[in-house]
Amino acid sequence: AQSVAQPEDQVNVAEGNPLTVKCTYSVSGNPYLFWYVQYPNRGLQFLLKYITGDNLVKGSYGFEAEFNKSQTSFHLKKPSALVSDSALYFCAVRTTDSWGKLQFGAGTQVVVTP
Amino acid sequence: DGGITQSPKYLFRKEGQNVTLSCEQNLNHDAMYWYRQDPGQGLRLIYYSQIVNDFQKGDIAEGYSVSREKKESFPLTVTSAQKNPTAFYLCASSIDNYPGQPNYGYTFGSGTRLTVV
Repeated sequence: AQSVAQPEDQVNVAEGNPLTVKCTYSVSGNPYLFWYVQYPNRGLQFLLKYITGDNLVKGSYGFEAEFNKSQTSFHLKKPSALVSDSALYFCAVRTTDSWGKLQFGAGTQVVVTP
Repeated sequence: DGGITQSPKYLFRKEGQNVTLSCEQNLNHDAMYWYRQDPGQGLRLIYYSQIVNDFQKGDIAEGYSVSREKKESFPLTVTSAQKNPTAFYLCASSIDNYPGQPNYGYTFGSGTRLTVV
C-alpha cells in the first residue's frame, strides 16, 4: 500500500519570507513523487516531480523540492513567497512497481500575506 | 494545444435527476480518472479507466457511473442515487503507467462545479 501525508492543513507566511510545505510518504518500493498546485475553482497544475537522480528538484514558478529517502519526505520550498503563491498544494506518490494510479495527500492551504 | 476539456464549468441539478459531466482529452493518454473535491478538502477517486471499454471503481463510486467507449472521452454520470452530489468534479488523464515505466503524472481538466437546487 502507498500513502502520503501533509501534516499541515494551512501554512501562513509573509510575502518575501521562505515558504515550506511538508510532505511525507509511505510506499513499499521506490517512489515517484509529485507536487501540484490548485487555485480557486481551477484544476490542479503540475509543479514538479521526483523520478530519480538529484535529490533537489526544481520546478515551475521558482518552487523546488528535496527528496529525502531516509526521512521519507518530499518537502516543497520557495525561497521568497509571493502573494500570488496563495493556493492549495497537493503532494502525490506512486511506486515504481505498480500501475500508475497516484495517491494524493489531503492538501495544504498556503496563505501569503502582504 | 493538447489538453483536457471538462464541460460544463457550472451545472445545476434538481433533486432526483441524473446529470452527465463531460471529459475529453486530445493528449493520446490511455488512462483517465474522475475525482470529487468538497470545499477545502482533498481529492477522492470516483472511477478510473486504464484502457478503452474498461474501468474500475475508486473509493467513492456509489451513485456514479462512467463509460469509456473512446480513448478520448470518459463521461461521468451523477445519478439520483448519489445523495450529496454538490461538489467540484475533476477529470484527469495520464500516459500508460505500467510498472517500470517512467511516470509523467496526471494532466487535469479545469473542473465542473455541480450544485443541487
